[in-house]
Amino acid sequence: DVKVTQSSRYLVKRTGEKVFLECVQDMDHENMFWYRQDPGLGLRLIYFSYDVKMKEKGDIPEGYSVSREKKERFSLILESASTNQTSMYLCASTPEVLHEQFFGPGTRLTVL
Amino acid sequence: AQSVAQPEDQVNVAEGNPLTVKCTYSVSGNPYLFWYVQYPNRGLQFLLKYITGDNLVKGSYGFEAEFNKSQTSFHLKKPSALVSDSALYFCAVRDPPGTYKYIFGTGTRLKVLA
Repeated sequence: DVKVTQSSRYLVKRTGEKVFLECVQDMDHENMFWYRQDPGLGLRLIYFSYDVKMKEKGDIPEGYSVSREKKERFSLILESASTNQTSMYLCASTPEVLHEQFFGPGTRLTVL
Repeated sequence: AQSVAQPEDQVNVAEGNPLTVKCTYSVSGNPYLFWYVQYPNRGLQFLLKYITGDNLVKGSYGFEAEFNKSQTSFHLKKPSALVSDSALYFCAVRDPPGTYKYIFGTGTRLKVLA
């Protein structure tokens, strides 16, 4: 079975802190994604990566950056956390474009 | 731009009754459509997808969905609901064709009452 893991299930940070969210997949998938999930808004794409060191902005990239140095790992970085970044963050991967996505369990981030 | 809509925030159904969770889409070209389910404090799990072929798609846990091109709909159905089906359901469409981007609906909370 494909496994997508995220470094933390729950995280509490203070405004202005730099925050790293890590995602690792074990199935050699080319494509990885970061979403945030907010009630009433569904999932919104922050960034995605279709290869090592390759990334593209999603719909809401402001305030975020990403890093993909190895195929299995895709990191989301909040350079200076703000309270409006309090949310559930979901990582996903997929082997190719017509395939379904495999999701991690999510990280619930609270920024105080 | 392509989009997907889930018109109902919540659907309540009695256990044993058939259930429908609605999804409509707007795309240019052939739609690639997906349904996912999210149980509390978990990530999303894939249920089924429509890429091409038969309009009735069967998926996990007894769910199925019907692709209707004329009504631009992809409703999720199950003949007999279980209490354990209570969860948050998301419809998604690939946007645009040829890329890796997916657009998700806002989700529908299904509550199956015993």
